Amino acid sequence: AQSVTQPDIHITVSEGASLELRCNYSYGATPYLFWYVQSPGQGLQLLLKYFSGDTLVQGIKGFEAEFKRSQSSFNLRKPSVHWSDAAEYFCAVGAGGADGLTFGKGTHLIIQP
Amino acid sequence: DTAVSQTPKYLVTQMGNDKSIKCEQNLGHDTMYWYKQDSKKFLKIMFSYNNKELIINETVPNRFSPKSPDKAHLNLHINSLELGDSAVYFCASSQPGGGSVFPTDTQYFGPGTRLTVL
Repeated sequence: AQSVTQPDIHITVSEGASLELRCNYSYGATPYLFWYVQSPGQGLQLLLKYFSGDTLVQGIKGFEAEFKRSQSSFNLRKPSVHWSDAAEYFCAVGAGGADGLTFGKGTHLIIQP
Repeated sequence: DTAVSQTPKYLVTQMGNDKSIKCEQNLGHDTMYWYKQDSKKFLKIMFSYNNKELIINETVPNRFSPKSPDKAHLNLHINSLELGDSAVYFCASSQPGGGSVFPTDTQYFGPGTRLTVL
């Protein structure tokens, strides 16, 4: 069965500092990998996705993520965070088709002024 | 031009009542989903429908019944509501196999419906 682990429940970063959110997955084949962001009281917005090809993927809002098959990881990065990045971040894995996504438990990002 | 919309946004009701949540997508996708987000923000798939046909039915009480009148709509009906049903319910849609406009297999989510059972 597929699973996703986000080891950090909370992360606090100073505004302007760099950010890395960790995601490890367990999946039998090449997974489809996603990062979503959820602001308070809002729905989920897709930040970026990986299906195949270049293992470094660029997303919206200046985010990027790198797929590392050997480490079963898909970590999310941003070189300089803004206060508006404070939100809940979810990593997810899927098989494609009509398969549902399996989500990690989320990482709550707090931005310090 | 909301891509995936849900109504209502908030739903407060008493235990034992029956309620429905509606979902509509204007993306032309063939597949729609319902997810439940619990109080700890954990998201779990409940159902998926492909072109009005039930594909996934996770371990969900049979008090929950999805209905898809057409491929743009997927409604969730809940009978005999219980306290534990309180959660945020998200609808999503995707186009398996991709298409010319939207990336393959990406799920797009609605804004959610916060259900509170008293």
